[in-house]
Amino acid sequence: QKEVEQNSGPLSVPEGAIASLNCTYSDRGSQSFFWYRQYSGKSPELIMFIYSNGDKEDGRFTAQLNKASQYVSLLIRDSQPSDSATYLCAVSRSNDYKLSFGAGTTVTVRA
Amino acid sequence: DAMVIQNPRYQVTQFGKPVTLSCSQTLNHNVMYWYQQKSSQAPKLLFHYYDKDFNNEADTPDNFQSRRPNTSFCFLDIRSPGLGDAAMYLCATSGGGGDYNEQFFGPGTRLTVL
Repeated sequence: QKEVEQNSGPLSVPEGAIASLNCTYSDRGSQSFFWYRQYSGKSPELIMFIYSNGDKEDGRFTAQLNKASQYVSLLIRDSQPSDSATYLCAVSRSNDYKLSFGAGTTVTVRA
Repeated sequence: DAMVIQNPRYQVTQFGKPVTLSCSQTLNHNVMYWYQQKSSQAPKLLFHYYDKDFNNEADTPDNFQSRRPNTSFCFLDIRSPGLGDAAMYLCATSGGGGDYNEQFFGPGTRLTVL
């Protein structure tokens, strides 16, 4: 079992719709959760982090964390063509400097 | 602007010819990381430094080595590149303090092995 699992996609959504991305993790000691966006041929860019159960909103992005179920999700509201990218989920344990990454979900927003 | 810089952005080398990739940061972060990322795969951690303390991942091949001469700079040396080492190499940094471990990535170096 991989430490961090994501659906590889592609997830295709029409412009203006909500894109919903899911991530599950196996280590119950995980404390910090991150979403990175990676455009093709570019490096990952941090877009959201969440440490507590519940929802965290930042602009059009909402991260949701449920530690009991060991999943974290990312919602992208009012999806734009510029949101077309691969989204990487990453987790780490408390005071652990290392991140475990999922392989990413590719999102395509249709104009 | 504070940032992570990688040079070169594109590197072409021949099979078996040593290559060095560099990373510098102006974030004054304690921790620096090197990742290898192949197409459609997750970034794979090769090693990281906390200050001068070097930490090698168990499955990182001996062909890969690293140096961190000071806080700002870190180098990745590939002693004898093989075709399987063609990948994007990502440098990242983090503050290394407390519970929060946000990592910030440089633009990456795309390595081609001929």
